[in-house]
Amino acid sequence: DGGITQSPKYLFRKEGQNVTLSCEQNLNHDAMYWYRQDPGQGLRLIYYSQIVNDFQKGDIAEGYSVSREKKESFPLTVTSAQKNPTAFYLCASSPDRTYEQYFGPGTRLTVT
Amino acid sequence: AQKVTQAQTEISVVEKEDVTLDCVYETRDTTYYLFWYKQPPSGELVFLIRRNSFDEQNEISGRYSWNFQKSTSSFNFTITASQVVDSAVYFCALNFYNNNDMRFGAGTRLTVKP
Repeated sequence: DGGITQSPKYLFRKEGQNVTLSCEQNLNHDAMYWYRQDPGQGLRLIYYSQIVNDFQKGDIAEGYSVSREKKESFPLTVTSAQKNPTAFYLCASSPDRTYEQYFGPGTRLTVT
Repeated sequence: AQKVTQAQTEISVVEKEDVTLDCVYETRDTTYYLFWYKQPPSGELVFLIRRNSFDEQNEISGRYSWNFQKSTSSFNFTITASQVVDSAVYFCALNFYNNNDMRFGAGTRLTVKP
């Protein structure tokens, strides 16, 4: 089955620790995206990547980092510099930036 | 400014009622794409429809229909004979040619009561 997987579904961390969220897709899509969703709000773009070894900052990239070493994988690291990391994180992929994005199940991160 | 407004924060209906979710967008581009997504309680966004700016035909898919009007910059979504399973948050989104930053509205939470 083709799709996007994100792991884990729930993640708990102590303040001051870096944490990496996994995102894998087997749809052969070139473009991948990371979004953050806070309660009652829409999605905000953190980072995106159109091709391997290339990625660009979105609106709220501060305190986050990414890598794109393989077409299938786009992990997101939430660093200790991110002031309010507790949120729901969604990964998406798309064959092209003008096409619809397909989303993974999300990771709910709680930092205390 | 590129912006999507979903003025209805929450809507509650009784099963079998029809319901329309509003979406108004702002853009200076002539080539753009509009989307609707559904986010059920599980959290994963489900793609419903994509529309480009040159295609103003309304679309119907089962109980779902979409009304795209460039004159009013609106892309409204109607669910006919709503069901409990339609309960979710619905997002309207806007993207542009040669752009990577899809803009999402704040979403409308639809509750369908039995």
